[in-house]
Amino acid sequence: KAGVTQTPRYLIKTRGQQVTLSCSPISGHRSVSWYQQTPGQGLQFLFEYFSETQRNKGNFPGRFSGRQFSNSRSEMNVSTLELGDSALYLCASSFIAGGPTGELFFGEGSRLTVL
Amino acid sequence: AQKVTQAQTEISVVEKEDVTLDCVYETRDTTYYLFWYKQPPSGELVFLIRRNSFDEQNEISGRYSWNFQKSTSSFNFTITASQVVDSAVYFCALTEARGNKLVFGAGTILRVKS
Repeated sequence: KAGVTQTPRYLIKTRGQQVTLSCSPISGHRSVSWYQQTPGQGLQFLFEYFSETQRNKGNFPGRFSGRQFSNSRSEMNVSTLELGDSALYLCASSFIAGGPTGELFFGEGSRLTVL
Repeated sequence: AQKVTQAQTEISVVEKEDVTLDCVYETRDTTYYLFWYKQPPSGELVFLIRRNSFDEQNEISGRYSWNFQKSTSSFNFTITASQVVDSAVYFCALTEARGNKLVFGAGTILRVKS
C-alpha cells in the first residue's frame, strides 16, 4: 500500500513569509504526527492529530499550527518564518492514537530552507 | 521529563564487523515504550523495533538484536556482521503509554565501509 506522502519535498522561503506543508497518511490511518528535525535540536515533536482533533502538542511557539481533515490528511503551517525554522519536517501516521503506541510510519519529509 | 541519550555520535566499522549502538533513557513513568528507528539518506524514518517497559526479553531479528535492561535504563542495539547497506543514522526513542509523542535521542551515524 502507498506510504506516507509529504508535499512539497523541498521549498525555499524568506524570513517573514509563511509556509504550509501537507501530509497524506497511509490509507486507514487516523493519527498523524509532525516532527521537526534540525542539526542542532535533533528530532522534536510538534503535534499529533486524531480524528481532526489535536491530541498532543510539543513545545513550539504559536507560529506553528496544524490541522487535520476528515480524510485524515493533515497540514501544518508556520507563520512569520525565522531562519531557525529551516529544518526537515517529518510526518508520521499510525492506525491508532491515545493507546499503546505501535509503529509510526514516516514520510520522507519536507525540507524547508528559510533565507 | 523524559530523555534519551545516545552517547555515540558516529561509529565507523568495516563490513562484517559487529557493532553495538548504545541508548540510555530517563523517565518517571512505570509504563513506557522504547523504539529504534533507522534513517537512511532518503530521510524517512524506518521502524525497527518497539519494546514495552514490562518486557525485558532480548530480541533477535536476523542480524539485528536488542538488549533491554531496566536496571541500567538501557536499550542497546547490535548489528551482527554489518553490511554497507546498514549505513544510516539510527535513533532510539521513548514514549509514555499513551499517544504517539516520541522523545528521540540525538542519533548515531553508522558508517559501514567495504
